[in-house]
Amino acid sequence: LAKTTQPISMDSYEGQEVNITCSHNNIATNDYITWYQQFPSQGPRFIIQGYKTKVTNEVASLFIPADRKSSTLSLPRVSLSDTAVYYCLVGFNGGATNKLIFGTGTLLAVQP
Amino acid sequence: GAVVSQHPSWVICKSGTSVKIECRSLDFQATTMFWYRQFPKQSLMLMATSNEGSKATYEQGVEKDKFLINHASLTLSTLTVTSAHPEDSSFYICSAGDRGRGNTIYFGEGSWLTVV
Repeated sequence: LAKTTQPISMDSYEGQEVNITCSHNNIATNDYITWYQQFPSQGPRFIIQGYKTKVTNEVASLFIPADRKSSTLSLPRVSLSDTAVYYCLVGFNGGATNKLIFGTGTLLAVQP
Repeated sequence: GAVVSQHPSWVICKSGTSVKIECRSLDFQATTMFWYRQFPKQSLMLMATSNEGSKATYEQGVEKDKFLINHASLTLSTLTVTSAHPEDSSFYICSAGDRGRGNTIYFGEGSWLTVV
């Protein structure tokens, strides 16, 4: 199972764009990259998922270079409510083998 | 809206008793579900993989006789903490993959267990 490495914490201000990079050097061919957001006392919430290049949805963008050994979650114009822990996970989304192992995550603190 | 739901959200039990936590996939079938536990200010730790119709697969260090997992249907997995002790107090979270949504894994809201 691929291991991920993220910064432990990041600080930002409201209205700024935040980029959180995750390293996953041992990612396997079948692995997808998924980012989750977790608030205290809540389960992780799905943000975005990708396999390669760039993926964008209504809340974030995910940039994945050609070698797929890292990925960057981009949050446009963050607000105070974006303060949370963000987890990057890699795994094969295909059934019993797709157990996701969590790393430390990145605590994003957004200030006024 | 939530696609994976847990019940109860929180529970308090006495030492030595057992408590059951349910995990349901709301609008999809899940042959595989996963159970995690999370201590305050720590990351999620995978406990076991719940397989519909067969035995669960436990991660190293997790006592299978203490954390009983039953996956009796394609939409329901249960985790029973048997003979609970205060050190079992934790936040328990389940997850399931939705093949209809690109096999994305969704997590439940979590269940707080406090053993007194």
